[in-house]
Amino acid sequence: DVKVTQSSRYLVKRTGEKVFLECVQDMDHENMFWYRQDPGLGLRLIYFSYDVKMKEKGDIPEGYSVSREKKERFSLILESASTNQTSMYLCASSFGPNYGYTFGSGTRLTVV
Amino acid sequence: DQQVKQNSPSLSVQEGRISILNCDYTNSMFDYFLWYKKYPAEGPTFLISISSIKDKNEDGRFTVFLNKSAKHLSLHIVPSQPGDSAVYFCAASASTDSWGKLQFGAGTQVVVTP
Repeated sequence: DVKVTQSSRYLVKRTGEKVFLECVQDMDHENMFWYRQDPGLGLRLIYFSYDVKMKEKGDIPEGYSVSREKKERFSLILESASTNQTSMYLCASSFGPNYGYTFGSGTRLTVV
Repeated sequence: DQQVKQNSPSLSVQEGRISILNCDYTNSMFDYFLWYKKYPAEGPTFLISISSIKDKNEDGRFTVFLNKSAKHLSLHIVPSQPGDSAVYFCAASASTDSWGKLQFGAGTQVVVTP
């Protein structure tokens, strides 16, 4: 069964901490994405990557960075966590246009 | 500025009746549309899609209708079942986007009552 796996389901971090969210896919997809989901705002794109070491900003990249050292792994980094980054974070992967996404189960991050 | 809009945040429907979820988009370059279903504490799962060359696509109880001139699509669920209670997201992409990025709506919470 093909999968996108996010390493943590729930995380609680303190303001100012550096936070790493990990995502691994086993479908040999070129493209990987990080979204956050907030009530009333839907899913908003933070960053995406179309190849190893390649990344592009999405709609809301401020306060975040990403790393893609291997094709199957895409990490989201919160450089200095703030309370307004409390959210559900969703990783997804895709072959490309007209293929849609496969999502991971999400990480519920709370910053206190 | 949201390019995909779901103006109904919630919908309550009786079991066995039809659920109709609506979605509007503003970007005329969008030519591929999808619906995702999301349960709490889980990631969204793909439900059904439609290309702009079609105006209807069916898969079992789920049918998506596309009206390109109105930039509007809808999802019909017939008959609705309690397991359909979830948040439904409309998404769109343009084939001119090399990476197939999806733009999502805000979601509609569907509650199916017995």
